[in-house]
Amino acid sequence: EVQLAESGGGLVQPGRSLRLSCAASGFTFGDYAMHWVRQAPGKGLEWVSGISWNSGSIGYADSVKGRFTISRDNAKDSLYLQMNSLRAEDTALYYCAKAQSSYYNFMAVWGKGTTVAVSS
Amino acid sequence: EIVLTQSPGTLSLSPGERATLSCRASQSVSNSFLAWYQQKPGQAPRLLIYGASTRATGIPDRFSGSGSGTDFTLTISRLEPEDFAVYYCQQYGSSPYTFGQGTKLEIK
Repeated sequence: EVQLAESGGGLVQPGRSLRLSCAASGFTFGDYAMHWVRQAPGKGLEWVSGISWNSGSIGYADSVKGRFTISRDNAKDSLYLQMNSLRAEDTALYYCAKAQSSYYNFMAVWGKGTTVAVSS
Repeated sequence: EIVLTQSPGTLSLSPGERATLSCRASQSVSNSFLAWYQQKPGQAPRLLIYGASTRATGIPDRFSGSGSGTDFTLTISRLEPEDFAVYYCQQYGSSPYTFGQGTKLEIK
């Protein structure tokens, strides 16, 4: 069974940094692209970033470009999101999601999410 | 960036009825790279449809997707009690990928 477990969320002050992790199991992690998607409280879904199987192709939402960095370690079956210069509007539940193929297309399987709150 | 507009915002129907949800794109979605997701309160989203019309594994055949270009539709042929949820469309034809704002399907 495919499982995705996010961690690293918490309360952080504006302007500070946070690193999210996603531990994958139940599939060959290195064969698949991955995504981060977020959902602000009471709001809809927002795609944050995607990364191909070998990190050769990466994309970001305009709202996080230049502040967030997605990465992966296939040897550790793990996905990461480094979030710098955090803003109040980054407050959300952050989901890790597995793509259907080696390129980041749609989100075939989702984790349960980790909560990030940006506040002074 | 492609903007997806879903309608209606809320749809009130009874079990057994047919539901038709719309997703309109601000520009053509290449290769019909459009997906639909279902989200229930307190849960992560679940993939229903990809490629505009292909059901994901394990999704009942009462769910169907159609459309191309800028107009897409999710149809639920006969509503079951467990189908009442929020539905999102998402385009993955061009980066940055985008979601619609969601349609809430509620029990009438």
